[in-house]
Amino acid sequence: DAKTTQPTSMDCAEGRAANLPCNHSTISGNEYVYWYRQIHSQGPQYIIHGLKNNETNEMASLIITEDRKSSTLILPHATLRDTAVYYCIVRPSGSRLTFGEGTQLTVNP
Amino acid sequence: NAGVTQTPKFQVLKTGQSMTLQCAQDMNHEYMSWYRQDPGMGLRLIHYSVGAGITDQGEVPNGYNVSRSTTEDFPLRLLSAAPSQTSVYFCASSYANRNTEAFFGQGTRLTVV
Repeated sequence: DAKTTQPTSMDCAEGRAANLPCNHSTISGNEYVYWYRQIHSQGPQYIIHGLKNNETNEMASLIITEDRKSSTLILPHATLRDTAVYYCIVRPSGSRLTFGEGTQLTVNP
Repeated sequence: NAGVTQTPKFQVLKTGQSMTLQCAQDMNHEYMSWYRQDPGMGLRLIHYSVGAGITDQGEVPNGYNVSRSTTEDFPLRLLSAAPSQTSVYFCASSYANRNTEAFFGQGTRLTVV
């Protein structure tokens, strides 16, 4: 599985957009980009995933660069409940998830 | 919807004791896995299974056994608990060979004294 690099921590003001970057320069053509988050030691929660097109769902948007070497998860209007560790994972279809250290996002009032 | 259910939620063991962490899912997922998470760290894969009767090792399998006799259940056994196995354990399930999400249980917090 391709290795990912994320900032250790980020801050965001409540109500503003949170943009979480992820570098995955060694990603292969068949590997998807997945995002999960973990709120206060609960079980990880799926957010979104994509291959090469940008994706949007009710939680977030995923922007993948044209060369697929990096991506950005966007929470359009962050709330205090979005404070969590966010994990960017790349993996081939259906294979196991390998977690890195993730980004601690703190949303401030 | 029950999703992925882990029991117990908390457990304290003495060194050398054995126990089984239970994991059950009701989504007919082929793929199930166990992770451990130590304080301040990401999740590490212990064992996984792609279907009933099939299991394989992950990154940190030593000290743990698994079996998969049914699609629904994937128990994790600690044969002789050690303080180094103090951790939070998460079970996950998903469809195999599909680009869909994995569902996680709420975790079992294990302390070995």
